[in-house]
Amino acid sequence: GQQVMQIPQYQHVQEGEDFTTYCNSSTTLSNIQWYKQRPGGHPVFLIQLVKSGEVKKQKRLTFQFGEAKKNSSLHITATQTTDVGTYFCAGLSGGSYIPTFGRGTSLIVHP
Amino acid sequence: NAGVMQNPRHLVRRRGQEARLRCSPMKGHSHVYWYRQLPEEGLKFMVYLQKENIIDESGMPKERFSAEFPKEGPSILRIQQVVRGDSAAYFCASSGWDSSTDTQYFGPGTRLTVL
Repeated sequence: GQQVMQIPQYQHVQEGEDFTTYCNSSTTLSNIQWYKQRPGGHPVFLIQLVKSGEVKKQKRLTFQFGEAKKNSSLHITATQTTDVGTYFCAGLSGGSYIPTFGRGTSLIVHP
Repeated sequence: NAGVMQNPRHLVRRRGQEARLRCSPMKGHSHVYWYRQLPEEGLKFMVYLQKENIIDESGMPKERFSAEFPKEGPSILRIQQVVRGDSAAYFCASSGWDSSTDTQYFGPGTRLTVL
């Protein structure tokens, strides 16, 4: 079945440093979604990417979808303590309605 | 416009008891998904339901677990004869009419602890 690998599992950064998490799928995806989960909280939808090579920005967050639609990345510029949490990618293959979640990358920001 | 609601938020059960988790989807949403999350782990799909129909239960254990989404009322995930390994956070999510492209909105989760 479809597998979605996400790296790294943990990332410690100093406040102000950049952060990137990567997501790789074993199959071509129809779309990919990104979620953020704060400690003790629930996943909150951030964005959905659909087109090959698509790049979307939300303030300090930049999301990319690979040309082959098998990988994606989330980059945060100049991290802040409010960015702390676990970032999950979730990929959907063509015709499927059940997204496969990566294990997530936990971001720890040191002030 | 209320979001996805789940109750209870915390549930403690002794081994062998039943756990019943409820989920009310966002207004206007007709698709409900249940996920299980263990500490330090990702979200594991359990079951996908529409009103009065189970569409996909491939992620749900064959024994002790059941789910329903009746015509009226919330979706319910039922775990019979709970064991310690059932301790986890259970999230439900809902989406609109196009389940293949619509965003899933998550509820706050039910944290189940089995003593």
